[in-house]
Amino acid sequence: DSGVTQTPKHLITATGQRVTLRCSPRSGDLSVYWYQQSLDQGLQFLIHYYNGEERAKGNILERFSAQQFPDLHSELNLSSLELGDSALYFCASRAGTVNTGELFFGEGSRLTVL
Amino acid sequence: AQSVTQLGSHVSVSEGALVLLRCNYSSSVPPYLFWYVQYPNQGLQLLLKYTTGATLVKGINGFEAEFKKSETSFHLTKPSAHMSDAAEYFCAVSENDMRFGAGTRLTVKP
Repeated sequence: DSGVTQTPKHLITATGQRVTLRCSPRSGDLSVYWYQQSLDQGLQFLIHYYNGEERAKGNILERFSAQQFPDLHSELNLSSLELGDSALYFCASRAGTVNTGELFFGEGSRLTVL
Repeated sequence: AQSVTQLGSHVSVSEGALVLLRCNYSSSVPPYLFWYVQYPNQGLQLLLKYTTGATLVKGINGFEAEFKKSETSFHLTKPSAHMSDAAEYFCAVSENDMRFGAGTRLTVKP
């Protein structure tokens, strides 16, 4: 158990809809990262938050947004969903922003868009 | 900008054989390098990491990796494969954030 909790584990929805994925980091970790894993694109970095502030953006679509709340949990919002958004979405946390620290991953939220 | 390239999306070895998974990196600063493993239906977990110091790094489950600056490589090895090693392996580089390679799926044949 990594200590990172993601909900829901599975989600099936239709094109055009909006979903919210939730992540609770390990106790005390201030950094939260979101990744998208799909068969054709591998593990893509989406966004990084540190203590409530956005620190870095990767390949995140404009239809997607995220935030980190004062209690440090984070949400990833996906809107106007397309078939190609079907993927496994991972959240990971790290104690700070020090680049030597490992990321601890949740078990992921599997999104299926029909 | 940081990036990693994993050579070979699939590697198949026999049980007891040497495992070699290749990773080359690109980084504008001294790199911090990681190997993660992903078992089916699970998240990624850390195998080992290189930050500074000794270039040969030992990790969990008998894996090790050697940082070679001149070759910009960080290959993962294990002397003797076990059936339980079958999984997806990811190399990663950490600069401002952590970027992963495309992954290598390891199959172990009995």
